[in-house]
Amino acid sequence: AAGVIQSPRHLIKEKRETATLKCYPIPRHDTVYWYQQGPGQDPQFLISFYEKMQSDKGSIPDRFSAQQFSDYHSELNMSSLELGDSALYFCASATGDSYEQYFGPGTRLTVT
Amino acid sequence: KNEVEQSPQNLTAQEGEFITINCSYSVGISALHWLQQHPGGGIVSLFMLSSGKKKHGRLIATINIQEKHSSLHITASHPRDSAVYICAVRYSGGGADGLTFGKGTHLIIQP
Repeated sequence: AAGVIQSPRHLIKEKRETATLKCYPIPRHDTVYWYQQGPGQDPQFLISFYEKMQSDKGSIPDRFSAQQFSDYHSELNMSSLELGDSALYFCASATGDSYEQYFGPGTRLTVT
Repeated sequence: KNEVEQSPQNLTAQEGEFITINCSYSVGISALHWLQQHPGGGIVSLFMLSSGKKKHGRLIATINIQEKHSSLHITASHPRDSAVYICAVRYSGGGADGLTFGKGTHLIIQP
């Protein structure tokens, strides 16, 4: 069965650079969630989209932005990267009428 | 603050033992997830519960909505069950639709 795809799987950036992470939901899923998991930390909810509109916002820094496109994939744009942004970034997808979230493998971002 | 508490934080057991991991939360939820994460790895969803009990292979998850408590049980544990098990909830009542995560239970099953 098709799963959630994230790209890239690993990314190394320098401070003050920008990064774009991509999430491709399971086919026919219209909802995408983004989470950030710092080293040794529990995941934190960043932002979610439903039917290409922002659905909810968690602890997403102002330096980050995200959107969901017409094919339902989502991109998380991160600017002015800081060392503290080094983390595992997960996305999860769901159908709008279900609470069940399916997680992607994550993108490991390292900021040096 | 809406919190998700898990216990124990760390658990080491022998192969074959029956394992129980507990999760409690503070306010009403619409769904509770049990997730598994291997070191350095991605998150796998084991169960999503809104009431009652679910079973999948050697894993059983239960939830008591009135007591705001859920348990994850592993029967006949095996070293490959070694992982971090995370309880995460989706709060009801107009709260954020993203999940709020517990800090995880680090489980080690020794052969």
